[in-house]
Amino acid sequence: DTAVSQTPKYLVTQMGNDKSIKCEQNLGHDTMYWYKQDSKKFLKIMFSYNNKELIINETVPNRFSPKSPDKAHLNLHINSLELGDSAVYFCASSQGRGSGQPQHFGDGTRLSIL
Amino acid sequence: DAKTTQPTSMDCAEGRAANLPCNHSTISGNEYVYWYRQIHSQGPQYIIHGLKNNETNEMASLIITEDRKSSTLILPHATLRDTAVYYCIVRAQTGANNLFFGTGTRLTVIP
Repeated sequence: DTAVSQTPKYLVTQMGNDKSIKCEQNLGHDTMYWYKQDSKKFLKIMFSYNNKELIINETVPNRFSPKSPDKAHLNLHINSLELGDSAVYFCASSQGRGSGQPQHFGDGTRLSIL
Repeated sequence: DAKTTQPTSMDCAEGRAANLPCNHSTISGNEYVYWYRQIHSQGPQYIIHGLKNNETNEMASLIITEDRKSSTLILPHATLRDTAVYYCIVRAQTGANNLFFGTGTRLTVIP
């Protein structure tokens, strides 16, 4: 009964490839997020979607494209992977956009670029 | 969003209360105080949040000073599984609900 699940858990690939990470939540939430945690362990917001619409798009290269087919899913597609994309990517969800609503995180996807 | 200051690391004996402090001297009246933790190799876990009043749930208690410039997260009976990095975050009530994580406090529970 995992609340926020991401696949795959580990992703090892070559520079220049295109890859996708999937996220699903079964909490009935209407807002979903992608965060990136770099090698120094800093967690930073990348994107936020509310009811399938983009509401936050931080300074992220346009090689990163989120897609939300429905409220329960927010996938992250990355084109032309670079060495600097190696990180742990976390998906999260919350009920509503208000900051009084806590976010619930998945266990992350560890992306390694060779 | 207001900045927070936390000690880099703390130790706590197993079974004792762990008190994790956080300073947020520039907090605004409409900003919540949130606490999350990250256990090694897992995603951040929501613990508790509050605005002005002290809060308690099944995991922890949150004590916010009257001037709201600091707060303390209390884990009443620390276990080895509470070893993690604890993040104190302040967020405005309005605007986007993205969280800004700092460096947090690494809590080590010692047997």
